[in-house]
Amino acid sequence: GAVVSQHPSWVICKSGTSVKIECRSLDFQATTMFWYRQFPKQSLMLMATSNEGSKATYEQGVEKDKFLINHASLTLSTLTVTSAHPEDSSFYICSARDGTGDFYEQYFGPGTRLTVT
Amino acid sequence: GQNIDQPTEMTATEGAIVQINCTYQTSGFNGLFWYQQHAGEAPTFLSYNVLDGLEEKGRFSSFLSRSKGYSYLLLKELQMKDSASYLCAVKDSNYQLIWGAGTKLIIKP
Repeated sequence: GAVVSQHPSWVICKSGTSVKIECRSLDFQATTMFWYRQFPKQSLMLMATSNEGSKATYEQGVEKDKFLINHASLTLSTLTVTSAHPEDSSFYICSARDGTGDFYEQYFGPGTRLTVT
Repeated sequence: GQNIDQPTEMTATEGAIVQINCTYQTSGFNGLFWYQQHAGEAPTFLSYNVLDGLEEKGRFSSFLSRSKGYSYLLLKELQMKDSASYLCAVKDSNYQLIWGAGTKLIIKP
């Protein structure tokens, strides 16, 4: 199957700093990438949908100025958490869509665990 | 609103069979997915149903009834490594994936 990588796998940062997370599709071109956040013992929460070459579409309640998404190429999307606070500590997962039309699979990256101190 | 319901937690014995149910109410339907997620890891794809009936893939099978808004994931010959959370997700009329909260499956020897 298709492979999606994320970097870093975990990061600890101080409150007020910014953190960038990279998501790459390694062996396919992903026109659409998704960013999720998952708090402990909770389900995935879609934050935004990112289409290559255009602005990301954010879900209701997600601050676009705080969570900056850039999908500059068909294989790379980045999520930057700006001015991070302890409540932003979470497991961030990206996924990439392989295929078009009615059926597609979403391949998930391994996730990035962010801890803000 | 859109809603997907799954049991929070289930326990089963190694070697046995377990059925995880999922009911959904969404604006439109364009397919139902089951994913497996081990603790601290990202979800991995298990199955996809868009037509009514049973899809079998090795030890795992998934069933769909669109008229009832119901699906189940059947796991046979349970192994300890099957201990994980199982997520049900439905693609709605906008082709957005709506996720259930997941069912934590605990396998006991």
